Amino acid sequence: DQQVKQNSPSLSVQEGRISILNCDYTNSMFDYFLWYKKYPAEGPTFLISISSIKDKNEDGRFTVFLNKSAKHLSLHIVPSQPGDSAVYFCALYTFGNEKLTFGTGTRLTIIP
Amino acid sequence: NAGVTQTPKFRVLKTGQSMTLLCAQDMNHEYMYWYRQDPGMGLRLIHYSVGEGTTAKGEVPDGYNVSRLKKQNFLLGLESAAPSQTSVYFCASTGGGSYNEQFFGPGTRLTVL
Repeated sequence: DQQVKQNSPSLSVQEGRISILNCDYTNSMFDYFLWYKKYPAEGPTFLISISSIKDKNEDGRFTVFLNKSAKHLSLHIVPSQPGDSAVYFCALYTFGNEKLTFGTGTRLTIIP
Repeated sequence: NAGVTQTPKFRVLKTGQSMTLLCAQDMNHEYMYWYRQDPGMGLRLIHYSVGEGTTAKGEVPDGYNVSRLKKQNFLLGLESAAPSQTSVYFCASTGGGSYNEQFFGPGTRLTVL
């Protein structure tokens, strides 16, 4: 039962353009939605989050959008930079659950 | 602060051998987790702990055991390794908070021949 899906295993974007990473989920009970970034040979690191009561959260070049009716989460990176090349995971959290449910990941490659 | 550390970084086992992966955190976090990462599968939770002396099963617990004898350490054991356990293993910890932000270690790459 795959509750969280990132349907694009990989994505290539020209430097300076916008990168859009998507995440779809099936369970409407999630309270928080997170994005993690992972470089090769390193552990994932937290990037940005959004509460279920909001539809947008912005932090510098990174913006996360939440469409609860469509059960869809997206991460926008603009402008994209070579250092953004990494694997991105969405992760979902329900209060009191003590666990995160991770998506399958999208490998983003920024082309100089 | 070292954050979350994992030992060893790499290991090669033969089928049937046993080993223990060690995770240590110096952030006084209550919750600790073990994940495995496989291509196309994302991060899957193996076992987790909500405090010293407690453990619970995650999504893929079969073939693994864990122990949390000290708050700062979380051990993952493989009693009889199988090729299907070839993977990259990540440990994470969190103090909880609004959205359970987890801090990850650098990973252990395990190959079972």
